[in-house]
Amino acid sequence: GQQLNQSPQSMFIQEGEDVSMNCTSSSIFNTWLWYKQDPGEGPVLLIALYKAGELTSNGRLTAQFGITRKDSFLNISASIPSDVGIYFCAGQPIFSGTYKYIFGTGTRLKVLA
Amino acid sequence: DSGVTQTPKHLITATGQRVTLRCSPRSGDLSVYWYQQSLDQGLQFLIQYYNGEERAKGNILERFSAQQFPDLHSELNLSSLELGDSALYFCASTPSAGLAGGSPYEQYFGPGTRLTVT
Repeated sequence: GQQLNQSPQSMFIQEGEDVSMNCTSSSIFNTWLWYKQDPGEGPVLLIALYKAGELTSNGRLTAQFGITRKDSFLNISASIPSDVGIYFCAGQPIFSGTYKYIFGTGTRLKVLA
Repeated sequence: DSGVTQTPKHLITATGQRVTLRCSPRSGDLSVYWYQQSLDQGLQFLIQYYNGEERAKGNILERFSAQQFPDLHSELNLSSLELGDSALYFCASTPSAGLAGGSPYEQYFGPGTRLTVT
């Protein structure tokens, strides 16, 4: 199935460091969602973005809807051990006609204390 | 806790068998989405229902079917199971447009059902 390109695929960082990840697509999207998934659990919605250029924060997390509408970025500041998990982006293609989303391949984050 | 419930949590069955996965959306949500997540893979959209009617189809195999009942719970039926069907199956629900309680663009996921086909 169709998926977004999400990078990096995985990253190891030290506790306290900032983290950046992104999703890109060749298609234009109406909406971007960012999720965090712990092993064996369901994805948890972190941030939703609705307009090109929009910058939205949720605690230490900040996400941006790219101006071209083909990409989105997620930043985590001052990482802590509980940030460990897989982060997924999800985009709703323009003119899709439904609220169907395409999901990224995920960024696996590991935090070293 | 997202408010979306799924049962069972785990399911182990043999090839060729048929299973039914159940999902109850958040209170008031009319849309239900089903996704498949294979090991270390992203989420693949299978099918969407809105208030009992099928709204969108993704990469759902012909051996799989789903329905949404009048009380809005949904069931995903998987038949003639193969080893490759082993995966996590998630459902998600979204608020309805125009109603209080959130945006219809925001999908809330259940805890998933882990299916193992042996």
